[in-house]
Amino acid sequence: AQTVTQSQPEMSVQEAETVTLSCTYDTSESDYYLFWYKQPPSRQMILVIRQEAYKQQNATENRFSVNFQKAAKSFSLKISDSQLGDAAMYFCAYRSLFQGGSEKLVFGKGTKLTVNP
Amino acid sequence: EPEVTQTPSHQVTQMGQEVILRCVPISNHLYFYWYRQILGQKVEFLVSFYNNEISEKSEIFDDQFSVERPDGSNFTLKIRSTKLEDSAMYFCASSPGHTGELFFGEGSRLTVL
Repeated sequence: AQTVTQSQPEMSVQEAETVTLSCTYDTSESDYYLFWYKQPPSRQMILVIRQEAYKQQNATENRFSVNFQKAAKSFSLKISDSQLGDAAMYFCAYRSLFQGGSEKLVFGKGTKLTVNP
Repeated sequence: EPEVTQTPSHQVTQMGQEVILRCVPISNHLYFYWYRQILGQKVEFLVSFYNNEISEKSEIFDDQFSVERPDGSNFTLKIRSTKLEDSAMYFCASSPGHTGELFFGEGSRLTVL
């Protein structure tokens, strides 16, 4: 079974600074997706960024980028130029791409990010 | 922008009562899910639903739980006889395919007294 580990329960960053959230995962599959979801206080989880494991290039979405290390099974999220609106719970998640594999998302425990003005 | 909607946002019930949580997935999506998040814990998978049947379920999803899509738009989670430990935030999600991202609703908070 796949597992996702987020070792930082809480992180804080100064506005306009850069912060990196860590995520490691365990799987025996070679094809999968990895995601970072953001859950603001309004509760709805929204997708921040996704990475297909077969792509070597790290995904980027504006101020958000990932450092995907497939061999190390590491998938960290970097937030540049942090804004007050980035304050939220961030979840790392795994989903199999294997045709006969599980279709569910497996989540880490989350990292609560605080942005200080 | 299309979104997943859930009702009620908060429900308080007595232990042993039946509860139905409702979800309207995004209209052209084919895969539907329920997750729950007990306060302070990780988001846990309950069940996935495709082509009008359960495609996968977790060990949490026992005989007290059921899902259905009665009218082609709503997707419901029923808990037949609630327990104290069912208190959690329940999230509905949908997806256009069996890969890629899930789109989540805002959640239904269930409090069992």
